Amino acid sequence: DAGVTQSPTHLIKTRGQQVTLRCSPKSGHDTVSWYQQALGQGPQFIFQYYEEEERQRGNFPDRFSGHQFPNYSSELNVNALLLGDSALYLCASSLATGGSFFGQGTRLTVV
Amino acid sequence: RKEVEQDPGPFNVPEGATVAFNCTYSNSASQSFFWYRQDCRKEPKLLMSVYSSGNEDGRFTAQLNRASQYISLLIRDSKLSDSATYLCVVNSASNTGKLIFGQGTTLQVKP
Repeated sequence: DAGVTQSPTHLIKTRGQQVTLRCSPKSGHDTVSWYQQALGQGPQFIFQYYEEEERQRGNFPDRFSGHQFPNYSSELNVNALLLGDSALYLCASSLATGGSFFGQGTRLTVV
Repeated sequence: RKEVEQDPGPFNVPEGATVAFNCTYSNSASQSFFWYRQDCRKEPKLLMSVYSSGNEDGRFTAQLNRASQYISLLIRDSKLSDSATYLCVVNSASNTGKLIFGQGTTLQVKP
């Protein structure tokens, strides 16, 4: 049983560009959450998707958007990248309630 | 004030030592509580859930005090392999899987 998988693992983008990160949840999990982890900080909640709808959103600007597909996989899109968007982006999957399992993350560097 | 607060450390201890980490949370309506472990440049992994009655898993003991909004983790007989960052995590009041992380406490176990 594959756990949570994310792609790509590493990415370098230029300021102003757009990026799409992908996540496949653990088998049987229907809820996907995205987190941003800056160096030396704990992960910060971006948003959560359930039944293809954004159910909750953290304190992130509209440049951050997402999508969930019928197979529960998800994408995170970030537009107009800023240097401060450089971070580890983590996807977590869970059932509607319960413990969350994290993917290995995508390390995004904005130059 | 941060929703979940931890002393970032680092805690430097010799092998075999007992070390305790503490954490406080601000939202009294929070539903569930966890400790996650994160190795350098890796994803967070669930170490253990935390219950009011206290729970133990081998050398690890977690405790929750809802009245004081305080969570603790005790590690006995520290091993070199325990070196990592320990994240205190609270599930939001709505218990929908949104996790709120502390900054993390870094532990370095030395021979």
